[in-house]
Amino acid sequence: DIVLTQSPGTLSLSPGERATLSCRASQSVSNNYLAWYQQKPGQAPRLLIYGASSRATGIPDRFSGSGSGTDFTLTISRLEPEDFAVYYCHQDGSSQWTFGQGTKVEIK
Amino acid sequence: QVQLVQSGAEVKKPGASVKVSCKVSGYTLTELSMHWVRQAPGEGLEWLGGLDPEYGERIYAQKVQGRVTMTEDTSTDTAYMELSSLRPEDTAVYYCATLTFSYGSGTYYAKPEPTVKYYYYAMDVWGQGTTVTVSS
Repeated sequence: DIVLTQSPGTLSLSPGERATLSCRASQSVSNNYLAWYQQKPGQAPRLLIYGASSRATGIPDRFSGSGSGTDFTLTISRLEPEDFAVYYCHQDGSSQWTFGQGTKVEIK
Repeated sequence: QVQLVQSGAEVKKPGASVKVSCKVSGYTLTELSMHWVRQAPGEGLEWLGGLDPEYGERIYAQKVQGRVTMTEDTSTDTAYMELSSLRPEDTAVYYCATLTFSYGSGTYYAKPEPTVKYYYYAMDVWGQGTTVTVSS
C-alpha cells in the first residue's frame, strides 16, 4: 500500500498568514491522483484539490495544490478564520486507496 | 445536485454485523461510483472500499476485506455497506461518498464514456455520516 505521511502534525498560525502543508508518498502516486480534503469537527470531509493541483468546484483560489510523484503540497495563501481545520491528503491511484494521517491547522 | 443521506446511529455487540445505508437523491445510483470511508473517534480517515472507477468492479481495503460487503439497490437508489464480525475497533463514523469525474472543462457525477481517455476523479459528495458503536 502507498503510505502517505503528512507534515507537520500541527501548524499554529494566525489569520492572514500563509500555510504550507506537506504530503509525502512512500511510492510514486500514479498519474498524480492525489487529493486534499478539509475536515471540521463534526462534519464530513470537503474536497479541496484533486489531481494534485486542480481546485474542486467552489473552492476559493487561496487554496492551491502542487507537486508530483511522491511529494505534494497544499498551500493556503492567506488564512481566513474558517480555514482552521484538519487537512488530509489522499491517493486513489492504486488499488488500495489511502489517506495521510492529517495536519491540524490551529489558531496561534 | 447529488445528495447522500445515511441511516441512523447503530450500537452493536462484538461479533455482530451492521448494515449502513446511503440514500441517493438528485441522480441515479447506477450512474454513480460510491465509496465508503470511516473515522474512528479522534482518528483520521480510513478508506474501506467502493466501485473502481477504472474497471467498474468493487475494490475493498485489505484491512476489512472478507468482513465488508458493499451492495446497491437500484430500485431505491440506496447503497449499503455491511460489516460483519464486529470488533470494538470498528467503532467509528462511517461515511458514504460518491466520486465526481473531471475532464475537458467540466466536473460530472457519472463516469465518462470510454472515448474520454484522460480524467481525474475524487470523492466529492459525502453523506452526513453514521456512528457505529461496538461495545459489549
